[in-house]
Amino acid sequence: NAGVTQTPKFQVLKTGQSMTLQCAQDMNHNSMYWYRQDPGMGLRLIYYSASEGTTDKGEVPNGYNVSRLNKREFSLRLESAAPSQTSVYFCASRGKPYGYTFGSGTRLTVV
Amino acid sequence: AQKITQTQPGMFVQEKEAVTLDCTYDTSDPSYGLFWYKQPSSGEMIFLIYQGSYDQQNATEGRYSLNFQKARKSANLVISASQLGDSAMYFCAMREGGSEKLVFGKGTKLTVNP
Repeated sequence: NAGVTQTPKFQVLKTGQSMTLQCAQDMNHNSMYWYRQDPGMGLRLIYYSASEGTTDKGEVPNGYNVSRLNKREFSLRLESAAPSQTSVYFCASRGKPYGYTFGSGTRLTVV
Repeated sequence: AQKITQTQPGMFVQEKEAVTLDCTYDTSDPSYGLFWYKQPSSGEMIFLIYQGSYDQQNATEGRYSLNFQKARKSANLVISASQLGDSAMYFCAMREGGSEKLVFGKGTKLTVNP
């Protein structure tokens, strides 16, 4: 049982490059989330998807797009990366009754 | 809007002693859930304990307990008999009943000294 799998684990981008962070869960959860973590800021919600086919903005959505490809997969895309997007990105899913499961994170550096 | 406040950026405790990590929250929703997560230096987010707003008793999970004071809107984490492996960042989080969003505090860095 893998839980929530994120790829890649590390990535270095140049300013202006694009990339997609992949996330997949095998727990049949409806809800999935993307967070970013910056030093001293805790985790902040970027986007979430309450069910297949729906997505909604979180606290810090600017500069990002998401796709809920199917029930298992929820991807995060940076169309034109900026240094301010250097962060650690976490994907999570939520199952009943209340538990959130997090992936191991993607450490992204934009130079 | 929901809000989580952790006022202790860092805490130190001696091994085998108990420690309390503070968390206060703000919400107007009568239905909500409170969570604590541990993040060791390896970076993963580890779920520790959950307290629902309607739960009559404080939640406990092994050495972890949640001191839930609803009127004061506080949800402090108590770790008993600290171990060196408890050294980590600890995050308090809340989800309102009608929301999909899990909102985090800024965290407390706990250091357990031998």
